[in-house]
Amino acid sequence: DADVTQTPRNRITKTGKRIMLECSQTKGHDRMYWYRQDPGLGLRLIYYSFDVKDINKGEISDGYSVSRQAQAKFSLSLESAIPNQTALYFCATSAQTGTLSTDTQYFGPGTRLTVL
Amino acid sequence: GDSVTQMEGPVTLSEEAFLTINCTYTATGYPSLFWYVQYPGEGLQLLLKATKADDKGSNKGFEATYRKETTSFHLEKGSVQVSDSAVYFCARGSGGSNYKLTFGKGTLLTVNP
Repeated sequence: DADVTQTPRNRITKTGKRIMLECSQTKGHDRMYWYRQDPGLGLRLIYYSFDVKDINKGEISDGYSVSRQAQAKFSLSLESAIPNQTALYFCATSAQTGTLSTDTQYFGPGTRLTVL
Repeated sequence: GDSVTQMEGPVTLSEEAFLTINCTYTATGYPSLFWYVQYPGEGLQLLLKATKADDKGSNKGFEATYRKETTSFHLEKGSVQVSDSAVYFCARGSGGSNYKLTFGKGTLLTVNP
C-alpha cells in the first residue's frame, strides 16, 4: 500500500464550487505539505504544517485553506474554485531527522483538478 | 530569496547517450540539495540528495555533486535508458532545518531506443 495517498485522483468541477482534496499518510511523519504543479512552473508550495496545531502559508496560499485533522491527515480546500486553479496538486510528508537537517519529502500520486 | 534554476527542456537523447541536466541555486544559507524524478502519471520520487559541499549523491546510475564554489548541483548519467524518460526536478532546502523545498521548473527527458 502507498505511504502517502490522495483522494480524489481526478476531479472536474465548475467555477464557484467548493472543493476538498484529501491526503493521508502512514509514514508517521509530523510534517505535511501541499503543492501545486503547473506546466513550466515546477512545484509551488501552498501550505505546510509541522503538526496538528501548526499550519503555515506557503508562497501561493491565496484562494486556498487547509485543515490538519490528525497527524496523518491534511486536507486542502478551495472555497470557491476558479479556472486558474486548474492544476496538479501534490501532498508531501517529511520528518525532522535530528540536527542534520536532511529532510526528504515523500510525495503522493497527485490529484488532477480541472475547474471549468 | 531562495531559488533554483535548472536547464529547460525538453531534452531528447538516444539510448546509451550521456546525460547532463544543469542546476544552480541561490547561495543563501547551507541548504541540502535534491534531485527528484517524476515518471508519467506519478508523483515525485527522491532520486538523490547531498547535504553539504563536495558531497556526491548517487542512485540508479545518476550522480550529482554539491559544488559550493559554483552554486551548482548538475545531474549526470553516463548511459541513459528508455526507462529514464521522465521529468527531473532540482530542489534546495531552506537551510537550517530544510523543512521547505524550493523547486526548479523541471526538465523533461525523453530517451529514444
